[in-house]
Amino acid sequence: QVQLQESGPGLVKASETLSLTCTVSSGSMSTYYWSWIRQHPGKGLEWIGYIYYNGNTFFNPSLNSRVTMSLDTSKNQFSLKLPSVTAADTAVYYCAREHTWNRSFDFWGQGTLGTVSS
Amino acid sequence: EIVLTQSPGTLSLSPGERASLSCRASQSVTSTYLAWYQQKPGQAPRLLIYGASSRATGIPDRFSGSGSGTDFTLTISSLQPEDVATYYCQKYNKGVPLTTFGQGTRLEI
Repeated sequence: QVQLQESGPGLVKASETLSLTCTVSSGSMSTYYWSWIRQHPGKGLEWIGYIYYNGNTFFNPSLNSRVTMSLDTSKNQFSLKLPSVTAADTAVYYCAREHTWNRSFDFWGQGTLGTVSS
Repeated sequence: EIVLTQSPGTLSLSPGERASLSCRASQSVTSTYLAWYQQKPGQAPRLLIYGASSRATGIPDRFSGSGSGTDFTLTISSLQPEDVATYYCQKYNKGVPLTTFGQGTRLEI
C-alpha cells in the first residue's frame, strides 16, 4: 500500500518561501505523476501542479509561475516551493499520486496546514 | 478553461435513501479523465470513481458513476451514516489548467 506524508514548516512569514516535502513509502516513483493540491480553509480543492518521474513539470497558471517542484527518486521524495507567499496562500497542502493513464489521484497524503503570518 | 459545476450544493437525505450528485462541465470532458472523490471532515480526499464509472479499489458497490460528455453523476444507492462527506468531481484535459475540481456537494444524512 502506497503511503504519502507531507512535511515542512507549518508557519511561514509573508513574502518568504513555503517549502514542503512529500515522502512516498512503498513502491517506485516511476511512471507516475506526483502532484500538489491545496485547499483553502472551508473551501474546495485547487490543483497546484505536478512533477513527472522524469522531472518534467506542469503548473496551474493561476499561481503566476511562482511554483517550483523537484524530485529525488533516491529518497522517494518530491518537493514544492512557493515563494513570495501572502495570506492567500494559507491552506492545507496535500501531495498525491496521479495515475498516468486516467489522471486521477489514487493516493493522498494526510495534508499539512501551511499558514502565512504577517 | 473547463469549469465543473456540481449540484446540489448540499443534499440532505435519510439512511437507506438513494443519492444522486451531479457534475456538469462547461465543455465536453473525455470520460477517461473524470473522477469522483469523497472527503470527510478533517481528512484527505479519497478516490471513489475514476474513468467516470470505474470504482477504485476497496470502494463499496453502493457507489457508482455514470455519464459522458458534459453531464456526469455519482450515485450512492443506499445511504449509510458513514457516507456523510463532501463529494468532488475532478477532470483532466489538455487545456490549461490541466486539472480542475468542482466546488463540491455536501451530503448530510
